Amino acid sequence: DAGVTQSPTHLIKTRGQQVTLRCSPKSGHDTVSWYQQALGQGPQFIFQYYEEEERQRGNFPDRFSGHQFPNYSSELNVNALLLGDSALYLCASSNLGLAATYEQYFGPGTRLTVT
Amino acid sequence: AQSVTQLDSHVSVSEGTPVLLRCNYSSSYSPSLFWYVQHPNKGLQLLLKYTSAATLVKGINGFEAEFKKSETSFHLTKPSAHMSDAAEYFCVVSERNTDKLIFGTGTRLQVFP
Repeated sequence: DAGVTQSPTHLIKTRGQQVTLRCSPKSGHDTVSWYQQALGQGPQFIFQYYEEEERQRGNFPDRFSGHQFPNYSSELNVNALLLGDSALYLCASSNLGLAATYEQYFGPGTRLTVT
Repeated sequence: AQSVTQLDSHVSVSEGTPVLLRCNYSSSYSPSLFWYVQHPNKGLQLLLKYTSAATLVKGINGFEAEFKKSETSFHLTKPSAHMSDAAEYFCVVSERNTDKLIFGTGTRLQVFP
């Protein structure tokens, strides 16, 4: 059973560019959450997708957007990249039907470097 | 708003000695609390979770944590450290009625031979 997978592993972009990160949830999971982890910090919640819609959002600007596909996979898009967007981006999946456990499974992350 | 405070940014222990990683939470209700571990260049792994059942929670790899409402604490312990325990540990609270996770700033555990 494959866990949560993310691609690419590493990415280098220039300020002002746009980037798309991808996530496939754990088998049987229908909900995907995205987190940003800056160096030396704990992960910060960006947003969550369920049934192809953004279900809740953290304190991130509109430059951060996402999408969920019918197969539950998800994309995170960041426009007009800033140096401060350099971070590890983590995807986590869960099953909303089991929300009472609030258990999320994390992928290995995508390391984004903005130069 | 819910939050967690990890009281130590770094903890160093010798192999075979006990581990104590401290976490205090802030919440106006009974929260769901978690400990996650992050090894270098790897994703976050759930060690254990508290969801208003037994206050002493046992997790993987010999770790356990005790929920103490009176002290608003959820400290992580292990009787005997192993070299493979060296990693970053995060105390986490979930926002009420959601599965949005709020992370602490992390504690780096070093284990010396």
